[in-house]
Amino acid sequence: ETGVTQTPRHLVMGMTNKKSLKCEQHLGHNAMYWYKQSAKKPLELMFVYNFKEQTENNSVPSRFSPECPNSSHLFLHLHTLQPEDSALYLCASSQHGAGAYAEAFFGQGTRLTVV
Amino acid sequence: DAKTTQPPSMDCAEGRAANLPCNHSTISGNEYVYWYRQIHSQGPQYIIHGLKNNETNEMASLIITEDRKSSTLILPHATLRDTAVYYCIVRVEGNDMRFGAGTRLTVKP
Repeated sequence: ETGVTQTPRHLVMGMTNKKSLKCEQHLGHNAMYWYKQSAKKPLELMFVYNFKEQTENNSVPSRFSPECPNSSHLFLHLHTLQPEDSALYLCASSQHGAGAYAEAFFGQGTRLTVV
Repeated sequence: DAKTTQPPSMDCAEGRAANLPCNHSTISGNEYVYWYRQIHSQGPQYIIHGLKNNETNEMASLIITEDRKSSTLILPHATLRDTAVYYCIVRVEGNDMRFGAGTRLTVKP
């Protein structure tokens, strides 16, 4: 138990569906992240939120839409995905600021399959 | 953040020390060395980090060379549950955590 909880753990969706991934952290951190891990590839950083403000979008297609309503919750809204978007989606949180320890804590991930 | 180089894979016998190397020859003075591991299909897990001095915690030891251009993560008594991909990351504190390909460590009975 890392203090970062992702739901659902597994998701199968069709290319015309709309679904959302949820992440919740109970660590009091002020930064949250979405990563994507495709088969046999390194983790790719998708989105970064600091203090609920999006600070980075690494050229992610618009069919992925993040939302951070407060510093404890992060969503990834999915629509009209492609089969190549099938991957493990990981959420992480950390504490940013002077003197902060700053290591990232990861959730267990959502295994997404697009059919 | 500086780039790191790790061997793609390593084997280690159960009960022996696992020594995982990482080269970071372009590291700058304010960059830390972080180690994470990822057990199959789980989220990465923080192991240890350091700046200049060697560090030890309940999971591992981190040895950083005096010129800081390389480091070694040591798992003193590897178990089968230590089989995972180990990532060495160099970053300025506060920057985002970006992962490379890592080293796939296989602990064998």
